[in-house]
Amino acid sequence: EVQLVESGGGLVQPGGSLRLSCAASGFTFSSYAMHWVRQAPGKGLEYVSTISTNGGTTYYPNSVKGRFTISRDNSKNTLFLQMGSLRVEDMAVYYCARGRGSSDYDAFNIWGQGTMVTVSS
Amino acid sequence: DIVMTQSPDSLAVSLGERATINCKSSQSVLYSSNNKNYLAWYQQKPGQPPKLLIYWASTRESGVPDRFSGSGSGTDFTLTISSLQPEDVAVYYCQQYYSSPFTFGPGTKVDIK
Repeated sequence: EVQLVESGGGLVQPGGSLRLSCAASGFTFSSYAMHWVRQAPGKGLEYVSTISTNGGTTYYPNSVKGRFTISRDNSKNTLFLQMGSLRVEDMAVYYCARGRGSSDYDAFNIWGQGTMVTVSS
Repeated sequence: DIVMTQSPDSLAVSLGERATINCKSSQSVLYSSNNKNYLAWYQQKPGQPPKLLIYWASTRESGVPDRFSGSGSGTDFTLTISSLQPEDVAVYYCQQYYSSPFTFGPGTKVDIK
């Protein structure tokens, strides 16, 4: 079964850091672009980041650029999101998602259940 | 950044009737070299992650019922549910993956009238 399982969420103070993980199974992880998407409570979906199959190319919106870093370990079938300088507005459920194929420019067809990040003092 | 807008914000449709959701991008998402529109539609039910319904603006994802269809090109797109079923109550999002950041629309909530 194709599956993505996020972990690492929790409560962090403003200005703090957190590292999210996404464990992939049931498919050849190294063959797919991977993504992070977040959803603040009661709000819509917000794109967070993309990483290419070999990790050589990454993408971020301005809202997280310079504070978040996406990475992957293809030997361990795991995607990561290192988040720093966290703000109250970063509080959300963070989903990892798989692209449909190797291209960075494709729809997201497999999603994890999400992990909640709470930023509060 | 490409800005995605959706209309309406919400709609209520009787069971068995048609539901139509519109999505507009601030610039074209049609890639001329392959004539593909880099536009996807997702369905999200309460407490669940999003689910891909449509990609390339009109290609149905495997397993998605054929009452869901996508159309449009360039900057204007439509998701149609031809005969609304109870299980279709959800929020629907469009997304462009033409250029990073791969932005989502604000969502359209679909309910039963």
